[in-house]
Amino acid sequence: DTGVSQDPRHKITKRGQNVTFRCDPISEHNRLYWYRQTLGQGPEFLTYFQNEAQLEKSRLLSDRFSAERPKGSFSTLEIQRTEQGDSAMYLCASIPPNSYEQYFGPGTRLTVT
Amino acid sequence: QKEVEQNSGPLSVPEGAIASLNCTYSDRVSQSFFWYRQYSGKSPELIMSIYSNGDKEDGRFTAQLNKASQYVSLLIRDSQPSDSATYLCAVGVTGTASKLTFGTGTRLQVTL
Repeated sequence: DTGVSQDPRHKITKRGQNVTFRCDPISEHNRLYWYRQTLGQGPEFLTYFQNEAQLEKSRLLSDRFSAERPKGSFSTLEIQRTEQGDSAMYLCASIPPNSYEQYFGPGTRLTVT
Repeated sequence: QKEVEQNSGPLSVPEGAIASLNCTYSDRVSQSFFWYRQYSGKSPELIMSIYSNGDKEDGRFTAQLNKASQYVSLLIRDSQPSDSATYLCAVGVTGTASKLTFGTGTRLQVTL
C-alpha cells in the first residue's frame, strides 16, 4: 500500500494522559499537514511541514500540542494532558512536489474519557 | 460568516439522477478548489480539483468554478447508491502553506 498511513487508528485515553500519533506520508511527498475533524464538521488545519521544517501552526494548536517531522519523513503529533475536548479524528495529509492536491491518511480517532 | 459554506443536507436524489452540490467561499484570493468524498467513519478522499473558471469533467463528476461569484459546484451524473456520502468542499490559497479550509460538508443520499 503506497498511500498515507497513520498509527494508531484508534486511541482511547483518560483525561490528563499524553498521546502520540504517527503519520507516514507517501514517499517523495515533501509537504505534510495535520488536521483535526470533529463530528459534523469539516477538517480544520493544525500544522504544516515542508520537509523537516514546521512552517505554519494554527491558533487551534495550543501549547499542549506539538508536532515534529524529523528528517523530513514521518511525522508525529503529541497531545499532552489530554482533555475531553481533544476527542476527534486526527488526519494527516501529504502533497507531492509541484502539486496542490492533498491526500489523506485513514486518520486516528482519539477518544478522551 | 463562515469561510466556506455548504448546505448540510441531506440532499436526496434517485438513482440515475444528477446530484448538484454547491459551495461558496469568502476569501477572494483563494486559488485552488477541491471536492472530497467522505464515507461515514472514513477519511476524506479527493475526487476533483479545479483551479480556473469554467468546468472540469472527470468521468461522472463535473466541477464548476466561478471566481467572480465565489462559487464552486460539483455535479454527479448517473448517481449511484455508492455515491451516498458526505461531500466536502475545500478551498486553498496557493503559496507556501497551501492549507485547505473546508466546509462542513453536504450529505448526499442516493435512493433506489
